[in-house]
Amino acid sequence: DSGVTQTPKHLITATGQRVTLRCSPRSGDLSVYWYQQSLDQGLQFLIQYYNGEERAKGNILERFSAQQFPDLHSELNLSSLELGDSALYFCASSVGTGAGQPQHFGDGTRLSIL
Amino acid sequence: AQSVTQPDIHITVSEGASLELRCNYSYGATPYLFWYVQSPGQGLQLLLKYFSGDTLVQGIKGFEAEFKRSQSSFNLRKPSVHWSDAAEYFCAVGARNNNDMRFGAGTRLTVKP
Repeated sequence: DSGVTQTPKHLITATGQRVTLRCSPRSGDLSVYWYQQSLDQGLQFLIQYYNGEERAKGNILERFSAQQFPDLHSELNLSSLELGDSALYFCASSVGTGAGQPQHFGDGTRLSIL
Repeated sequence: AQSVTQPDIHITVSEGASLELRCNYSYGATPYLFWYVQSPGQGLQLLLKYFSGDTLVQGIKGFEAEFKRSQSSFNLRKPSVHWSDAAEYFCAVGARNNNDMRFGAGTRLTVKP
């Protein structure tokens, strides 16, 4: 158990819809990272927050947004969903920021777009 | 920006045999290097990491990896594979001057009885 909690575990929705994925980081971790894992693109870094502020941005689409709240949990919002957005979305957390921080991953949210 | 390549998409080894998973990186300086393992239906778990110092690093579950600067490699090894090691393995490289971490495409390990 990594200590990182992601909800829901599975999400099925239709094209054009909007969903919110939630992540609670490990106790004491201030950084939260979001990743997308798909068969064709592998594991892609989306975005990182540290103590409520955006720290790094990866291959995140404009239709996607995220935020980290004062209690350090984070939400990833995906809108105008397309079939290609079907993937596993992982949240990870670390104590600090910087690429040297080992990240602890949740079990992911599997998003299926019909 | 840094990049990482895992040349082997899929490897099959017999239980009890030794294992080496390859990882090559591209970065202008010494990066942070990691190996993660992903079991089916689960998130990634950190096996080991290299920051500096001794180029042979020990990790959990009996794994080790060796950083070879001259070859830009960070190969993962295990002397004797167990059936429970069947999983997907990811090498990752982090740049020392930013928050960017890049993951390889992964190597799927199958263990034959």
